[in-house]
Amino acid sequence: QSALTQPASVSGSPGQSITISCTGTSSDLGSFSLVSWYQQHPGKVPKLILHEVNKRPSGVSNRFSGSKSGNTASLTISGLQTEDEADYFCCSFARSDTFVFGGGTKLTVL
Amino acid sequence: EVQLVESGGVVVQPGGSLRLSCVASGFTFTDYTIHWVRQAPGKGLEWVSLISWDSGSTYYADSLKGRITISRDNSKKSVSLEMNSLRPEDTALYHCVKDIGDSTTLPWIAFHIWGQGTMVTVSS
Repeated sequence: QSALTQPASVSGSPGQSITISCTGTSSDLGSFSLVSWYQQHPGKVPKLILHEVNKRPSGVSNRFSGSKSGNTASLTISGLQTEDEADYFCCSFARSDTFVFGGGTKLTVL
Repeated sequence: EVQLVESGGVVVQPGGSLRLSCVASGFTFTDYTIHWVRQAPGKGLEWVSLISWDSGSTYYADSLKGRITISRDNSKKSVSLEMNSLRPEDTALYHCVKDIGDSTTLPWIAFHIWGQGTMVTVSS
């Protein structure tokens, strides 16, 4: 199972919005809505920020939103804050009854 | 407080075996699927395996299939991961993770509550 494709890095200024893409295939993203996103600060465990494409767990800011079209999912962070600087990983359920992650995107808040 | 605590990580030689354990607390253990997810030093996340609430469903990553076995003991609120024929590329921090899905939703959806992880190093 190949990893999902994410840009290695994105950047934005405080207050701006950024979008991180996550591209898969018809065997994973294209077939399932079990897409999730994770935020990981250095030295910390990952934190679930979106599941089932656009559902936020309790306590997650509504500045985080998600979408999916075909084989590509997207995470949008609006009103960027300095604490948003972190690594972001997408994940999808796949036809082989497995889960596949993206390689991760480093978000820099300038 | 929902908590998952892993143990069993060691330094092991290539070809060796080990057993990782995860003990849960703070939630109804039998309502949830549990996963193992690993992260090699400085690298991304890799899903390893899942086990459903009743052990009726177990799935494994292709890269590890045939070398690992997941199991759970609901009476002890614990999950284990047996790993054999270990390779240097298995070196990683192994996290035990509670799924966000429960008995009222799909059984596995996403990785919600993470343990701090236990480090496995495969090296001669």
